[in-house]
Amino acid sequence: EIVLTQSPATLSLSPGERATLSCRASQSVSSYLAWYQQKPGQAPRLLIYDAFNRATGIPARFSGSGSGTDFTLTISSLEPEDFAVYYCQQRSNWPWTFGQGTKVEIK
Amino acid sequence: HLLESGGGLVQPGGSLRLSCAASGFTFSSFAMSWVRQAPGKGLEWVSHISGSGGNTYYTDSVKGRFTISRDNSRNTLYLQMNSLRAEDTARYYCALFGGGAFDVWGRGTMATVSS
Repeated sequence: EIVLTQSPATLSLSPGERATLSCRASQSVSSYLAWYQQKPGQAPRLLIYDAFNRATGIPARFSGSGSGTDFTLTISSLEPEDFAVYYCQQRSNWPWTFGQGTKVEIK
Repeated sequence: HLLESGGGLVQPGGSLRLSCAASGFTFSSFAMSWVRQAPGKGLEWVSHISGSGGNTYYTDSVKGRFTISRDNSRNTLYLQMNSLRAEDTARYYCALFGGGAFDVWGRGTMATVSS
């Protein structure tokens, strides 16, 4: 099973700041990595698929990069609605797996 | 649009059948998954089925206990859960696998395993 390790567990930032979230895979997942945002009481929402492709309707401040084992989700300038938990997920190998999440909280 | 149902309270060792009714898209054209989230915890992928239903996949902890299926004539996805354990307590989401990721999610249904 491929283990995805996200860091940091919690990121405390102010609106307008840049957020950099990391996801590291225990073995290569090529570019088969997605990022999701989840707010309390809501279902997850797809942000990025295949490492760097923004999903429909996702603002340009969200960007993804990386390949192989190291991936990054960047939020260029945090808006109030961006404070949430973010998960990475791989579809390279079965079983598909999620990272444990990074919480982006207001500082 | 995806709408889950069938959750509830069940004793350890019991069974539940979850359903996910799909609308607004050609259901048979898309693979689907079940993803769960235990209270206060992260997301866990559970099972996946191809558009035709011919290929299925499971996470190790549910193999032999859970069965995913679909009825394309009814636009409905199912998850039959047997031999339930306390650690299966979670909100279960169905998710549409579109162009490389889960791009449509339901609101989930809660399954609680407790005596």
